[in-house]
Amino acid sequence: SAVISQKPSRDICQRGTSLTIQCQVDSQVTMMFWYRQQPGQSLTLIATANQGSEATYESGFVIDKFPISRPNLTFSTLTVSNMSPEDSSIYLCSASTGVSYEQYFGPGTRLTVT
Amino acid sequence: GQNIDQPTEMTATEGAIVQINCTYQTSGFNGLFWYQQHAGEAPTFLSYNVLDGLEEKGRFSSFLSRSKGYSYLLLKELQMKDSASYLCAVRVGTGGFKTIFGAGTRLFVKA
Repeated sequence: SAVISQKPSRDICQRGTSLTIQCQVDSQVTMMFWYRQQPGQSLTLIATANQGSEATYESGFVIDKFPISRPNLTFSTLTVSNMSPEDSSIYLCSASTGVSYEQYFGPGTRLTVT
Repeated sequence: GQNIDQPTEMTATEGAIVQINCTYQTSGFNGLFWYQQHAGEAPTFLSYNVLDGLEEKGRFSSFLSRSKGYSYLLLKELQMKDSASYLCAVRVGTGGFKTIFGAGTRLFVKA
C-alpha cells in the first residue's frame, strides 16, 4: 500500500498569483497523477507526472497553467499558475505502485481563489 | 473518446440492497474500479474488475461485462454510513496507464 500526504491542505489565494502543491508518498511508486475535483463533481485527470521527464497532460490542461515536477519516485508538485476564481477546486494527488492495481489518493488540497 | 455513465443520484432504505450501474465506452480498457467517496474526503478503493464476472467482498460486490461495456456495484444490508458518492472509473492504456472517472452516483440511505 501507499500513504500519500499533501501540503497545503487548504489555501485561499488572490487572483493572478500561483500556488504550488506538494505530494509525498511514503514508498516508491511507479505512477503519480494529479486530479481536480470541483464542488459536487467527480474527478478530472489533469496529468500524469512522469519521473525525470515532462508530465503528460490531458485535453484541456496545459503545462503553462499547471506545471508539474516529479524529481523522484516518491514526490511530485503541481503548480496552479496565474489563478482565477475558476481554479477554485480540490486538487488530489494519486499514485499507483504498479505491483497491485490499486490507486491511492492523497487527502486533497482545497484551493479557493478570490 | 472516453465516456463513462452512471446515475446521478439514488436513494435506498437502511437494510436494503442497492445496485449502482455504470456503462462505459473507452479505448484501451484495462480494468474497472469502484471507489467510495464521503463528502470532503478522498476516494477510497472498493473493487477492481478486469475479467468478466462477479467479485464479492463482504457487503459489496462488483460485476463486469466487457463485451457490453457494463458494470454494477451491489451494496447489501445498507447502513447509514454507506451514504456517499460511488465513483465508477476505468483504467485505460497498456504499459503506462491512466484512470478516468465517471461523474459519480450520490447514494442517500434513509432510515
